[in-house]
Amino acid sequence: DTGVSQNPRHKITKRGQNVTFRCDPISEHNRLYWYRQTLGQGPEFLTYFQNEAQLEKSRLLSDRFSAERPKGSFSTLEIQRTEQGDSAMYLCASSLPEGNTEAFFGQGTRLTVV
Amino acid sequence: AQSVTQLDSQVPVFEEAPVELRCNYSSSVSVYLFWYVQYPNQGLQLLLKYLSGSTLVKGINGFEAEFNKSQTSFHLRKPSVHISDTAEYFCAVRGSNFGNEKLTFGTGTRLTIIP
Repeated sequence: DTGVSQNPRHKITKRGQNVTFRCDPISEHNRLYWYRQTLGQGPEFLTYFQNEAQLEKSRLLSDRFSAERPKGSFSTLEIQRTEQGDSAMYLCASSLPEGNTEAFFGQGTRLTVV
Repeated sequence: AQSVTQLDSQVPVFEEAPVELRCNYSSSVSVYLFWYVQYPNQGLQLLLKYLSGSTLVKGINGFEAEFNKSQTSFHLRKPSVHISDTAEYFCAVRGSNFGNEKLTFGTGTRLTIIP
């Protein structure tokens, strides 16, 4: 399977715990994006990388959230001190650097904070 | 900045009937437009995209969409739906200028096919 891979698919955690999600993009894609999708809503942009550089962060990305892409390949999204409002589907996407290409999405990580 | 409005949150349609899912956008710059489909507990799959050129674009699974710049619309259509088309459909927009990479999505339209 050469698509975007996200792990884990599901995560249940207690409020206050830290969680980390991983995204492996399509191998030749150097742009990587994180989105968050809450129930009944469309995905909302969180942040994106070109190679290892984080080029843009949404105001949705509070200081409890941090994303990294240390070697320009896979990326991690960490949420510290989780809150019930963090419960959502976290989607990763990747694309080629040229401007007119589409983003390919992974299957997402569904986070439930109890 | 861009925004997307999908006026219909739910659309029920009988099998083999035609369907149109509406999408209107707002942007101060030229845009690229996309329709994605999402099946339950899955990620997003691209149905079709408009980048430039012909305003009528064809996608996978028999879907097509027409870009109308004057009406700032990008409605999705299919002449005859199938049970397997039951899913959530998202319209998305991004600026066409370099560096304007993030997608802005609408709230989605849930398409339900009635046998």
